[in-house]
Amino acid sequence: GAVVSQHPSRVICKSGTSVKIECRSLDFQATTMFWYRQFPKQSLMLMATSNEGSKATYEQGVEKDKFLINHASLTLSTLTVTSAHPEDSSFYICSARDWSKMGQGAHEQYFGPGTRLTVT
Amino acid sequence: AQSVTQLGSHVSVSEGALVLLRCNYSSSVPPYLFWYVQYPNQGLQLLLKYTTGATLVKGINGFEAEFKKSETSFHLTKPSAHMSDAAEYFCAVSGRWGNNRKLIWGLGTSLAVNP
Repeated sequence: GAVVSQHPSRVICKSGTSVKIECRSLDFQATTMFWYRQFPKQSLMLMATSNEGSKATYEQGVEKDKFLINHASLTLSTLTVTSAHPEDSSFYICSARDWSKMGQGAHEQYFGPGTRLTVT
Repeated sequence: AQSVTQLGSHVSVSEGALVLLRCNYSSSVPPYLFWYVQYPNQGLQLLLKYTTGATLVKGINGFEAEFKKSETSFHLTKPSAHMSDAAEYFCAVSGRWGNNRKLIWGLGTSLAVNP
C-alpha cells in the first residue's frame, strides 16, 4: 500500500518551453501533497505544499508563477515548470500523506520515484 | 523553529560491521522523527518513524533507531551491514500540528559498504 507514482520519470525539454509533472497516489487518497527539488548529492528542498481544492502554499524564494501547482483531485497533483531554463534542471520529487491515517497520528510522507528534468 | 543535524556526510563501513548514522534535532515542541533511505535516482522510502510510545523503534531491512529526548538524538543503527544498504539516508523531524507538520530535513548521510 501507499504507492505514489510520478510521470514522466525523465524529461528533456528546450529552454523556454513548459513541462508538466504528474504525481498520483495510487492506492490512497491524499488531501496534502508536497513538491520537493533535489540537487545532486544534496538534501530535499521543499518547494510547496499542495492541498486538494485550494491554492498551493509556496516556500519562501519559490516563484509561484514559474512553478504552477494544481491539486485537482484527492489522487493527483501536477507541477508545471513554465518557461523552463537550464537552471531549472533538477530532480523533482513529490510526496503525499494518507488522508485516512491522519487521525491516527501517522504523519509520514510517501514519496514518488522522482522526475529528472533536463533543460537544454 | 525545528532543525536537524546529521553528523557525517559520508560514512563507510565493512560488510557485516555495525552501521551507526547520527541524527540530532532541535524542536520547541514534541517532535515526530523519521529516517528515510534513498537509492540512486529514486524517491525516498520510509525506514522507520517515532511518534509516541516506545523509544526504540524498529524499521525495515533490520534498521532501528532510539529516540533519546535528553540527548535530542535519533541515531539509526543496524547490527550488520549488507552491500545493499549502500544508499543516502535522511533524518527528518516534524511537529505534530498544523503548519508544523511539514518535514524538516537533515542534509543526508551517504553510506558506503565495503566488501
